Amino acid sequence: SSELTQDPAVSVALGQTVRITCQGDSLRSYYASWYQQKPGQAPVLVIYGKNNRPSGIPDRFSGSSSGNTASLTITGAQAEDEADYYCNSRDSSGNHLVWVFGGGTKLTVL
Amino acid sequence: QLQLQESGPGLVKPSETLSLTCTVSGGSISSSSYYWGWIRQPPGKGLEWIGSIYYSGSTYYNPSLKSRVTISVDTSKNQFSLKLSSVTAADTAVYYCARLRYYYDSSGYYDWYFDLWGRGTLVTVSS
Repeated sequence: SSELTQDPAVSVALGQTVRITCQGDSLRSYYASWYQQKPGQAPVLVIYGKNNRPSGIPDRFSGSSSGNTASLTITGAQAEDEADYYCNSRDSSGNHLVWVFGGGTKLTVL
Repeated sequence: QLQLQESGPGLVKPSETLSLTCTVSGGSISSSSYYWGWIRQPPGKGLEWIGSIYYSGSTYYNPSLKSRVTISVDTSKNQFSLKLSSVTAADTAVYYCARLRYYYDSSGYYDWYFDLWGRGTLVTVSS
C-alpha cells in the first residue's frame, strides 16, 4: 500500500508563513486532505479536495499539490495554529478505497 | 448537528478481542453520501486508518490489520462497530470513529475525506 511522508517538525515565527509538505505516490492521483490535532483533542479537517476549507476554518489555511507532493500553507501563523498536522489520501496501488495517513508534522509557533 | 460517540471497554486483555461501537446522533447512518470509519492513534504517535464501512455493509480494511479486523453496521440503531481480535500491547491506542464524506468537483474528480470525528476512546491492552 501507499505511504505518505511528512517532516516530523516545523517551526514558524508568529505572523509568518509556513508550508507543511506531504510526499507520496498516491498524491499523483489523489488530493490530500489535511487535519489539525491539538493535544488531547480529536483531529479537525482543515483542507480537502484541490483547496477547500470547511466552514469555520480561517482563510489563512490553504492547500496545493504538485506531482507527488501536497502542501498545507498557513499564511500569517497564529499562536493557536500550534498543533500536529496530518495529511491523508486514498491508496493508489489498486486498493482505491483504502486510506493512508502521513506520520504527522508538529508545528511550533515561535 | 451530527455527532459521533465511541463506546466500549477501556481495558482489554492480551489475546482477547477489542470491541467498540460508534453511535451516530443527529443524522442518519444510512445516507448514500457517507462512509463511516475507524482510526486509531497509539500514545504519542500518529494516526492509522483501520477500516471503513458503507451503510449497505460494504467494508474496506487496512491491509496490515485486515486479518484481525471486522467492522459492521446496524442501521436500526444508527451504529457501526469495530472488532479487533488477538490484541497485543501494540494495539493500545485512542480509537476514533469518523464520517467519510463524498466530495466531487466540476472536473470530475471525486474523493472522500474525514469531515467529522468522535472524541475518541482510549483502549489499553494489558493483563
